[in-house]
Formats: sequence, structure tokens, C-alpha cells
Amino acid sequence: DTGVSQNPRHKITKRGQNVTFRCDPISEHNRLYWYRQTLGQGPEFLTYFQNEAQLEKSRLLSDRFSAERPKGSFSTLEIQRTEQGDSAMYLCASSLADRGLGNTIYFGEGSWLTVV
Amino acid sequence: DAKTTQPPSMDCAEGRAANLPCNHSTISGNEYVYWYRQIHSQGPQYIIHGLKNNETNEMASLIITEDRKSSTLILPHATLRDTAVYYCIVRASGTYKYIFGTGTRLKVLA
Repeated sequence: DTGVSQNPRHKITKRGQNVTFRCDPISEHNRLYWYRQTLGQGPEFLTYFQNEAQLEKSRLLSDRFSAERPKGSFSTLEIQRTEQGDSAMYLCASSLADRGLGNTIYFGEGSWLTVV
Repeated sequence: DAKTTQPPSMDCAEGRAANLPCNHSTISGNEYVYWYRQIHSQGPQYIIHGLKNNETNEMASLIITEDRKSSTLILPHATLRDTAVYYCIVRASGTYKYIFGTGTRLKVLA
């Protein structure tokens, strides 16, 4: 049983470039989440998918950010025209639909972005 | 949004029990409390969750007060590898947005 997989694990990019992160959730998990974490802070919610539908987006997700989950399996998070303030760890998590036992989410190891 | 409050840091002697408190006074009646920990530069690791009753698994025990406004995570015999930031989180009512605070930085001392 593989966990949540994120690629690339580290990315250094120049300001103004576009970057894309990929997340492969745990097999059969129908919910997928993206979080962002900066140094010394807890993870901040960005967006959430149930199957291929993006059901919730944070105000943190500016128009430079877009997330997709086209077939309800893997997801991508794209950041356009990166800024230095985008430097952070981007975390993906997945879960199975709540069956009355709680909705435990499982995180990947994160993708570190450094914008120079 | 529902939120949690935790002490910013705690120390614990190796081999002793670590008791990490969390306040979640605005939790909804049907919302679970989840605990995660994060070791430097890694993704958060699930520990345990509960609704009303106390819970125990191979990693920890969770004690939830009767009014559900607070809980305590217990690591029965802390080891150096338990040094991490521990997060108590709840879900914002009516959403699947899990809200993290700044957590408790637990340092286990040899």
C-alpha cells in the first residue's frame, strides 16, 4: 500500500516562471487536498477535490494558482508567474469518503518550492 | 471557523508520558478531533482521532472531555524520535477544510 506521492520533491525556480506540482493520492481515495506551509507555521488549506470536482478553494488561492484533478485520480497544482512569496512547502493529502468513522486525511511528503 | 488552541512548546523526559493538551471549544457536535505530528521537513503524520470516547492505538491515547471542548494526546513512553510538532485539528463546520494552528513543539529530552 503506497502512500500519497508528490513530485517533484524540490523545485527551485526563477521569479516569473511557472511551476507545476503533481500529487498521486492513495489508491481509491476519492478526496484530495492541497495545503501550503511556510516556515514556522502550520499547514494552510488551499483547495479540496471530491473525485474530479473542485468543491472548495481558499482565498489564499490567487488567480495565479490553479489546481486540477481531471480524472479523479492524480492532481496537479500550477503556479503561474511565481513570486518570492510563493516559496513554501506544498502538501497534498487524500482521504476516503466518510463512512461514519471520521475522515482521516493522509499527507504526502510535500513539494518544496524556492523562488529566487 | 472552528479552531484549536495548543501551547507552543513542551518538554518531556525520555521514557515518561507526554501529555499534550488542546482546546477546541467551538467544535461542532458531530465533528472529530484529529491529531497529527510533523517531524522537520516531512509531511504531517496521522496519529489518532476521536469523537466522544477515549481512543487508543499503537502510537498514542486520546482523552476527550465530556463536553468535547478539549482533548489530551498521551504518548505513554516518549522517545527521542517523538520530538516533533504536534497538531490538534478539527474540520470547519460544513466543509472539508481542516484547520491547523501552530501546534505544540514537543522536545523529548534524554
